[in-house]
Amino acid sequence: ILNVEQSPQSLHVQEGDSTNFTCSFPSSNFYALHWYRWETAKSPEALFVMTLNGDEKKKGRISATLNTKEGYSYLYIKGSQPEDSATYLCAFYGLTSYDKVIFGPGTSLSVIP
Amino acid sequence: DVKVTQSSRYLVKRTGEKVFLECVQDMDHENMFWYRQDPGLGLRLIYFSYDVKMKEKGDIPEGYSVSREKKERFSLILESASTNQTSMYLCASSPGLAGPYEQYFGPGTRLTVT
Repeated sequence: ILNVEQSPQSLHVQEGDSTNFTCSFPSSNFYALHWYRWETAKSPEALFVMTLNGDEKKKGRISATLNTKEGYSYLYIKGSQPEDSATYLCAFYGLTSYDKVIFGPGTSLSVIP
Repeated sequence: DVKVTQSSRYLVKRTGEKVFLECVQDMDHENMFWYRQDPGLGLRLIYFSYDVKMKEKGDIPEGYSVSREKKERFSLILESASTNQTSMYLCASSPGLAGPYEQYFGPGTRLTVT
């Protein structure tokens, strides 16, 4: 069974702090990685779709990097704001089972005003 | 905008009842998915479908079945609900074959089985 891990499980930061968290996945079977943001009482929404080793994506204050050889992706938030409070999920697609995505357990971020 | 809707936000059922969770998407997506989300476990795939009348088991299909008679509608069925099926259920859709297409999620149904 393929395992996708995220760390830390939860994070509390002050408004204005920058933060980052990690998604780890099997490096030998990579096809694609997605990052989703899931705010309370809303639906998860895609942030990034990453497919190439060395990919770096950016959306406003949020960016992500991808290392498929070592099996990890980082998500960075610069100058956290209260509206960034959410659970951040990564989702792994493997080559041999590309039609079955495996989600990590998520990192819950709380930004304190 | 893609819209994925689910029939109920909250549902309370008794043990042994047959439960239907409905999901409808309005963007003509080929793929549809059912997940359940439990604390500390993330989203786990129950079933998915990439065409009408096609279905594939996900990681935790036991106790569930699905139906896709029309492209826009994907139903999750709990044949005989049990308390361990109390969970948040999320439906999603995506265009074409899976990855790297992003998935579009519905708002979720929080099911309680008593």
